[in-house]
Amino acid sequence: EVQLVESGGGLVQPGGSLRLSCAASGFTVSSNYMSWVRQAPGKGLEWVSVIYSGGSTYYADSVKGRFTISRHNSKNTLYLQMNSLRAEDTAVYYCARVGYYDSSGAFDIWGQGTMVTVSS
Amino acid sequence: QSALTQPASVSGSPGQSITISCTGTSSDVGSYNLVSWYQQHPGKAPKLMIYEGSKRPSGVSNRFSGSKSGNTASLTISGLQAEDEADYYCCSYAGSSTMFGGGTQLTVL
Repeated sequence: EVQLVESGGGLVQPGGSLRLSCAASGFTVSSNYMSWVRQAPGKGLEWVSVIYSGGSTYYADSVKGRFTISRHNSKNTLYLQMNSLRAEDTAVYYCARVGYYDSSGAFDIWGQGTMVTVSS
Repeated sequence: QSALTQPASVSGSPGQSITISCTGTSSDVGSYNLVSWYQQHPGKAPKLMIYEGSKRPSGVSNRFSGSKSGNTASLTISGLQAEDEADYYCCSYAGSSTMFGGGTQLTVL
């Protein structure tokens, strides 16, 4: 079965760090474009970052310089390292696969999400 | 990186059709035929309903259709059913970034 399972969310103080993981099964992470998308409580979806199959990475302006997307090929896992966290980073974080072909822009597989709360 | 513009809410009665618009710019919706639409029920992950503007993934009802004209994409749901009540988001590829609309809450009356 093709699926994504996120983990690593939790409560962290402002200025702190957290690393999210997204374990994939049924397909190969490194062969696909993979993204992180977040959703603040009661708000809409916000694209956060993408890693291309070739390894290039891109970020939303709101997280550039603070977040790092990466993957571990042998573990078939996607990561999001989040540093210098702010209250406005509080959200459910989803990992998602870009399906059909690399630049389709279509997220066909989503994880269940992991909640990150930034608060003192 | 501004969000795409969607109406905050739409409503319709069972059996009717509704259309949700998604307005971007010539740098995103207008430049790429890569608009996708997502359905999200409360507490659930989003589900892909339309990709490449008008294509339906396997398993998605043909009551859902998409189109685009200039910088505006649209999602039409025909034969509204109670289970269609959800939030709907458009999304556009924009080169090295991606942007979502603010979301539209669909109420089935």
